[in-house]
Amino acid sequence: DTGVSQDPRHKITKRGQNVTFRCDPISEHNRLYWYRQTLGQGPEFLTYFQNEAQLEKSRLLSDRFSAERPKGSFSTLEIQRTEQGDSAMYLCASSRVDTEAFFGQGTRLTVV
Amino acid sequence: GNSVTQMEGPVTLSEEAFLTINCTYTATGYPSLFWYVQYPGEGLQLLLKATKADDKGSNKGFEATYRKETTSFHLEKGSVQVSDSAVYFCALSRSNYGGSQGNLIFGKGTKLSVKP
Repeated sequence: DTGVSQDPRHKITKRGQNVTFRCDPISEHNRLYWYRQTLGQGPEFLTYFQNEAQLEKSRLLSDRFSAERPKGSFSTLEIQRTEQGDSAMYLCASSRVDTEAFFGQGTRLTVV
Repeated sequence: GNSVTQMEGPVTLSEEAFLTINCTYTATGYPSLFWYVQYPGEGLQLLLKATKADDKGSNKGFEATYRKETTSFHLEKGSVQVSDSAVYFCALSRSNYGGSQGNLIFGKGTKLSVKP
């Protein structure tokens, strides 16, 4: 297993466009997390799944953001009508229940 | 709610110097505590963790002890190397009573530069 994989690594989009990111967790991990990290800050929790169920969403996750994990394996994070303030690194992590999380290398989003 | 405060950087040290990066937290209950490291161009990696009071986490020469009386989890290393240059993040679990160790609150990070 090569760890948590995120695609794409970089995305540049125009304001108002929709973007979608993909995360493939470590195969035996049933929990999957999304975080956002802006420059000079630590990662901020957005949401997490246990299998296909989305168990918690942060208040940071506005109505323009939606995450899915349809078969309990990979997950997607979609941002609709992107704004310049959405520019950030989006991190995905996975874990077993009650074990530490392993992070992917992230998707860097730039909204121009 | 839970929160974490860590020493702001950047921190610049000479090789073989002693390192301390302070981290304090606010929480009700007994969250788990973590140090993650981000090397240049790489993703976040777990460095060490402690899941209950007085536990000491250790890895790669780094240590941190979960001190409930001082609500602290300071990171230390006796002799740093150039290869330790990275950004270090203190984090605690948002759940106060065990449970998910992936649902975390992070500090802002401390950039460490080690000069030869």
